[in-house]
Amino acid sequence: TQLLEQSPQFLSIQEGENLTVYCNSSSVFSSLQWYRQEPGEGPVLLVTVVTGGEVKKLKRLTFQFGDARKDSSLHITAAQPGDTGLYLCAGHHGSSNTGKLIFGQGTTLQVKP
Amino acid sequence: SAVISQKPSRDICQRGTSLTIQCQVDSQVTMMFWYRQQPGQSLTLIATANQGSEATYESGFVIDKFPISRPNLTFSTLTVSNMSPEDSSIYLCSVGARLAINTQYFGPGTRLTVL
Repeated sequence: TQLLEQSPQFLSIQEGENLTVYCNSSSVFSSLQWYRQEPGEGPVLLVTVVTGGEVKKLKRLTFQFGDARKDSSLHITAAQPGDTGLYLCAGHHGSSNTGKLIFGQGTTLQVKP
Repeated sequence: SAVISQKPSRDICQRGTSLTIQCQVDSQVTMMFWYRQQPGQSLTLIATANQGSEATYESGFVIDKFPISRPNLTFSTLTVSNMSPEDSSIYLCSVGARLAINTQYFGPGTRLTVL
């Protein structure tokens, strides 16, 4: 079974703090995506990374794809209450043309004002 | 990105009944998927909805329990049959991006409660 191990599962921090969420696997992914989901809504795509070592920035969010394309991280700088939500990583294996994604377990982030 | 709508947004159903969830996309897409999600947890893929042929189900999910239709490239339905309280969950449809099948966009979800 191809798994994505996501950590931590829960994170509660104060506004202004920094945080990092990790997504790790023993398998190589052709691409990896990060989603954020708020209660009552579907996951919203934040970013897709496809190249080993790739770094993408989205305002205060920095996404990195590992050199070997087996892991990824999401770093949030100066977190705000609006960042609260469930963060999901999801990967696609290059050997598959089904379009199916493998999801991590998710990280629930709470940013307190 | 595609705009995806789901109906109903939520429902409360009695044990033993069935509910059909609709997923409508604003553009033609090749890939459509159905997921189940417990609140606060990750997503579990139920099946891939194939246009013009039977859906492809993941391990642990069967057609008799979760029949899926995909009559065209913009619409799909998922039925949750003979429901039990264990079926209480959020059901999400997603579509593969037209130019990048590895990217998926999600609908808002249907929150189902079975009493």
